[in-house]
Amino acid sequence: NAGVTQTPKFQVLKTGQSMTLQCAQDMNHNSMYWYRQDPGMGLRLIYYSASEGTTDKGEVPNGYNVSRLNKREFSLRLESAAPSQTSVYFCASSRGGLAGGPKDYNEQFFGPGTRLTVL
Amino acid sequence: GDSVTQMEGPVTLSEEAFLTINCTYTATGYPSLFWYVQYPGEGLQLLLKATKADDKGSNKGFEATYRKETTSFHLEKGSVQVSDSAVYFCALSELGNTGFQKLVFGTGTRLLVSP
Repeated sequence: NAGVTQTPKFQVLKTGQSMTLQCAQDMNHNSMYWYRQDPGMGLRLIYYSASEGTTDKGEVPNGYNVSRLNKREFSLRLESAAPSQTSVYFCASSRGGLAGGPKDYNEQFFGPGTRLTVL
Repeated sequence: GDSVTQMEGPVTLSEEAFLTINCTYTATGYPSLFWYVQYPGEGLQLLLKATKADDKGSNKGFEATYRKETTSFHLEKGSVQVSDSAVYFCALSELGNTGFQKLVFGTGTRLLVSP
């Protein structure tokens, strides 16, 4: 099992360019997440998908869009990149996080990250 | 909303020293608590977890006890190694208004262990 994979690992964009970050998981997980990591700020949730066919905004959704393509894949798109979006992006997945469900289902598994620089 | 507060780093120790990284939280309800570790250039990995009060999570010599009375989940290790150098994140599961539980992370604490 590869777990959670992300592509690309590194990317440099110019302001205004667009790109899509890809994420896939092979653990048959229901829920998937996109985070950004910035120095001194920990991880901040951008968007999440509780289950196939649904997506919801997280803490910092502005400037991003997502697509839950199928159960395995969850992509993050920057339509018009800005220098403020320079960050390391992590995708994660979990079995599920519905209230009342098994607490073990909250455990999230992370990909290796994409380091994005916007000039 | 719920939140997690971690001690600021970096924490600098010599090999075989005792480690404590403090974590406190505020939450409504009864969240699960987690410690994740991030080694240089990698994603986060779950280190240990606890799902209810007084539970002790443990893994690779690390331990943390879920203390509801002090709303804390401090990470400890009796004897650190150079290979433990990493960033450690405390997190809790938060129940959102859509009925979905998400993780809320602290800002992370960098640990540096020298030989």
